[in-house]
Amino acid sequence: DIQMTQSPSTLSASVGDRVTITCRASQSLSTWLAWYQQKPGKAPKLLIYGASNLQSGDPSRFSGSGSGTEFTLTISSLQPDDFGTYYCQQHHSSPYTFGQGTKVEIK
Amino acid sequence: QVQLQESGPGLVRPSETLSLTCTVSSGSISNYYWSWIRQPPGKGLEWIGYIYYSGSTSYNPSLKSRVSISVDTSRNQFSLKLSSVTAADTAVYYCAKERSDSTFEYWGQGTLVTVSS
Repeated sequence: DIQMTQSPSTLSASVGDRVTITCRASQSLSTWLAWYQQKPGKAPKLLIYGASNLQSGDPSRFSGSGSGTEFTLTISSLQPDDFGTYYCQQHHSSPYTFGQGTKVEIK
Repeated sequence: QVQLQESGPGLVRPSETLSLTCTVSSGSISNYYWSWIRQPPGKGLEWIGYIYYSGSTSYNPSLKSRVSISVDTSRNQFSLKLSSVTAADTAVYYCAKERSDSTFEYWGQGTLVTVSS
């Protein structure tokens, strides 16, 4: 199985801050990497697929980059509604695996 | 847009079989892949497996010996069975529509299944 490791596990930032979350894979994914946002008590929501493709309707302050084994999710200007836990998922090969999550808190 | 809804018992005894059904509405189950994903309380996400509308399946090797996913196209439903459950199987279980790129665009609201005597 491909192991996914996210960092940090938790981050606290202020509204307007630039926030970066990192996801590393145990083997090369090319660009088969997705990001999800999960709010408490809700299902995850697909944000980014193919490492850098923003899901239709999602705010442009979210962006993804990377290839191979290292990827980043960036929120260019953190907004109050961006709190929650973010997960990366490799969609390169089965079994599909997720990172352990990064909890984003608003200061 | 398509909507998914999980249903089934919220409490299962240890060693018994967990059974859940996902009903798909506002769209056909045909021509797509459908997955089950679970999340233990306070923990991360684990993909359980998928079924294609034709009935072909793929399972996570970590659960393969205990998992079965089936589909009923006439009812627009697919189902999960997980046998010989233990407390480690306590989780919120989600059904999801899998896109052709193996990402998950539509999810059910999730259902908590607790394994306890």
